Amino acid sequence: GAVVSQHPSRVICKSGTSVKIECRSLDFQATTMFWYRQFPKQSLMLMATSNEGSKATYEQGVEKDKFLINHASLTLSTLTVTSAHPEDSSFYICSARVIGGNYGYTFGSGTRLTVV
Amino acid sequence: AQSVTQLDSQVPVFEEAPVELRCNYSSSVSVYLFWYVQYPNQGLQLLLKYLSGSTLVKGINGFEAEFNKSQTSFHLRKPSVHISDTAEYFCAVSDGSGGSNYKLTFGKGTLLTVNP
Repeated sequence: GAVVSQHPSRVICKSGTSVKIECRSLDFQATTMFWYRQFPKQSLMLMATSNEGSKATYEQGVEKDKFLINHASLTLSTLTVTSAHPEDSSFYICSARVIGGNYGYTFGSGTRLTVV
Repeated sequence: AQSVTQLDSQVPVFEEAPVELRCNYSSSVSVYLFWYVQYPNQGLQLLLKYLSGSTLVKGINGFEAEFNKSQTSFHLRKPSVHISDTAEYFCAVSDGSGGSNYKLTFGKGTLLTVNP
């Protein structure tokens, strides 16, 4: 149980275009979602925390106008990278907090974004 | 604020040898502790977690960890490793009382390489 499905797994886009990444909780309701960025051979860097129905809370240094996060329902959160540039190329991972008996955090499988 | 220190960035071991991956944390409040494994280009998979109760926690794939409050440590151990255990391992901590909006703080990761 407590599975998060993340799509797409890989995306290549042209510089200046926007890309949307989706994360869906398949068998539970995710009131809180986290979005991370991971550079090669590095740890996960938290970009923002989103709570269903409210605006996301961004970490210091993360451009909220570039990385748009929407958490409109209890099973879907999206990250849109707007006007992407090559420096936005990275591995993006979502995570949902699981409450109740199986408390913890479950992660999506990640999205490899390459901007050319 | 909480932080996590993984003392070894890389740990090479031979197959069937025991291994310990070290993790220390700092926090002014009660904590929940987690170990995750990440294979290349994939999301994070939960190995084990400590929320409360017994300080010795057993996880998947033969891993275990011991919560030591006095030493603020949560070291991960496996008595006999396999080639397939080669991966990146992350220790993480969250505020057990719900502070910081339940954010997970990650260590920098330890690359475990199991050699034949």
